[in-house]
Amino acid sequence: EVQLVESGGGLVKPGGSLRLSCVASGFTFSSYTMNWVRQAPGKGLEWVSSISSTGTTVYSADSVKGRFTVSRDNSKNSLFLQMSSLRPEDTAVYYCVRVLGALLGDYWGQGTLVTVSS
Amino acid sequence: QSVLTQPASVSGSPGQSVTISCTGTSSDVGGFNYVSWYQHHPGKAPKLMIYDVSNRPSGVSHRFSGSKSGSTASLTISGLQAEDEADYYCSSYTSSITVLFGGGTKLTVL
Repeated sequence: EVQLVESGGGLVKPGGSLRLSCVASGFTFSSYTMNWVRQAPGKGLEWVSSISSTGTTVYSADSVKGRFTVSRDNSKNSLFLQMSSLRPEDTAVYYCVRVLGALLGDYWGQGTLVTVSS
Repeated sequence: QSVLTQPASVSGSPGQSVTISCTGTSSDVGGFNYVSWYQHHPGKAPKLMIYDVSNRPSGVSHRFSGSKSGSTASLTISGLQAEDEADYYCSSYTSSITVLFGGGTKLTVL
């Protein structure tokens, strides 16, 4: 069974930093591109970033470029999102997503809530 | 374009069919056969219902089907059931090597 478990969310002040983690199980993690997708309170889904299976290629939304960095450790079946210069509009539930093809996902984690507020 | 266009809400009675549209451009929905649909019950992980416009993952009911015409994709749910009540999102690959989501559609089963 595919499982994706996110952690690392919490309350952070504007301008602060936070690192999200996602541990994968039930599939060969090193063979899949992975995504981060977020959902702000009362809003729709927003793609954040994608990282190739080897970690050599990364794509990111303009809204987070230069502030968020996605990475992975295939030896630990783990995906990360380093977030810096956080803004109130980054407040959202962040989901870890396995990519099926063309950057579109199939399996999603339960999400971790990030709240940016003073 | 920052988001694909979906109706904010649709509704139907048990047993009826409903269709949710998802309109984009030639740079996303119209340019590729890479459209997915997700069912999202608040507080739970979104679930993939349709991928590559019209393919159903294993385990998804045959009551769910997808199609596309030009730059508009559609999700049809037939034989509506109470458990189908959820938010539905479309998603498309884009020519900029990014992903766009629709704004979401709340399905109410009357």
